Amino acid sequence: ERVMTQSPVTLSVSPGERVTLSCRASQSVSSNVAWYQQKPGQAPRLLISGASTRATGIPARFSGSGSGTEFTLTISSLQSEDFAVYYCQQYNDWPLTFGGGTKVEIK
Amino acid sequence: QVQLVQSGAEVKKPGASVKVSCKASGYIFTSIAMHWVRQAPGQRLEWMGWINGGNGNPKYSQKFQGRVTITRDTSASTGYMELRGLKSEDTAVYYCARGRPGGHSDYWGQGTLVTVSS
Repeated sequence: ERVMTQSPVTLSVSPGERVTLSCRASQSVSSNVAWYQQKPGQAPRLLISGASTRATGIPARFSGSGSGTEFTLTISSLQSEDFAVYYCQQYNDWPLTFGGGTKVEIK
Repeated sequence: QVQLVQSGAEVKKPGASVKVSCKASGYIFTSIAMHWVRQAPGQRLEWMGWINGGNGNPKYSQKFQGRVTITRDTSASTGYMELRGLKSEDTAVYYCARGRPGGHSDYWGQGTLVTVSS
């Protein structure tokens, strides 16, 4: 099973700041990584697939990069609606697995 | 527009079974996979299994093998996830999600809270 490890667990930031979230896979997952945003009481929302392809309707301030075992989600200028938990997921191998999440909170 | 609407919250006793439904609309149900993912309180998302959109074959996480059954009714555009032998640790929100080529999910149901308590 591919273990996905996200860091940091919590990130305290101010609106307008640039944010970088990390996700590491225990073994190579090629570029088969997705990122999701989840707000309290809501279902996850797809942001990025294929490590770097934004989903339909996702603002350009969200970008993803990486391949193999190291992946990054960047939010170029944090907006108030971006405070949430972010999860990475690998879909290179069964079972599909998710990271533990990074909570982005208001500083 | 794509929508996945799940059945309502359930309260079950240990050892019982639960069956959650997920009605899909806005796309061709028989051409796209459906995943089932759960999230225990304060925990990460956990993939349980999926059903192939084309042939209807399911595939399960080994963790749930033998306890979970994922099915679908193509005439009703509805997917189902049944979990048996419930334990308190199965208390979680259960989500269905539309699968995309590769395995990620682009649309999710609203979630169904299943509480297991004596």
